[in-house]
Amino acid sequence: DTAVSQTPKYLVTQMGNDKSIKCEQNLGHDTMYWYKQDSKKFLKIMFSYNNKELIINETVPNRFSPKSPDKAHLNLHINSLELGDSAVYFCASSQTAYGYTFGSGTRLTVV
Amino acid sequence: AQSVTQLDSQVPVFEEAPVELRCNYSSSVSVYLFWYVQYPNQGLQLLLKYLSGSTLVKGINGFEAEFNKSQTSFHLRKPSVHISDTAEYFCAVSDLRNNNDMRFGAGTRLTVKP
Repeated sequence: DTAVSQTPKYLVTQMGNDKSIKCEQNLGHDTMYWYKQDSKKFLKIMFSYNNKELIINETVPNRFSPKSPDKAHLNLHINSLELGDSAVYFCASSQTAYGYTFGSGTRLTVV
Repeated sequence: AQSVTQLDSQVPVFEEAPVELRCNYSSSVSVYLFWYVQYPNQGLQLLLKYLSGSTLVKGINGFEAEFNKSQTSFHLRKPSVHISDTAEYFCAVSDLRNNNDMRFGAGTRLTVKP
């Protein structure tokens, strides 16, 4: 069983569209995250949720909205997609100090 | 807030040579330190972590790292690399009070040549 699974793996869409990326973890972790990895491989935290409560909300456009229906799921919804949103988005989960477990990523390409 | 600097963006080495990937961190409080590896088109995999105790930490695939508090460093080493070690390596830090905020370095691209 995959510990942290993201769907879809690839997403190609036109500018202006709205899209969602789903993330699920079966590790029983309390905290889930979204990271953005740009073309230079730099990883930037976007959001962090602990037990469905938003605890980190870095400076990202408000077109990005995370939603956590329960502790095992953290979805990322993006409105009015722009070319600069093209990147790889990683979901991760953690339980205190044990390090993060990452999903395999969603490669978003906006054309 | 804590931050990480990876001093080398690219490290080319020959197969079976030793390698060291350098990482320095900055934080006003005690920290947890991590190294992750990312193979092409894959997610990040935890190599090793320092939480407390012995400053020499051993991880998977023959890697080890040493925590040096006075130099605020956490360099990653391997005595003999293989072609399959070619990947992107990330150093990361989170502080003890808030492990829910992990910050990554910019990454070091390790290329092992035959």
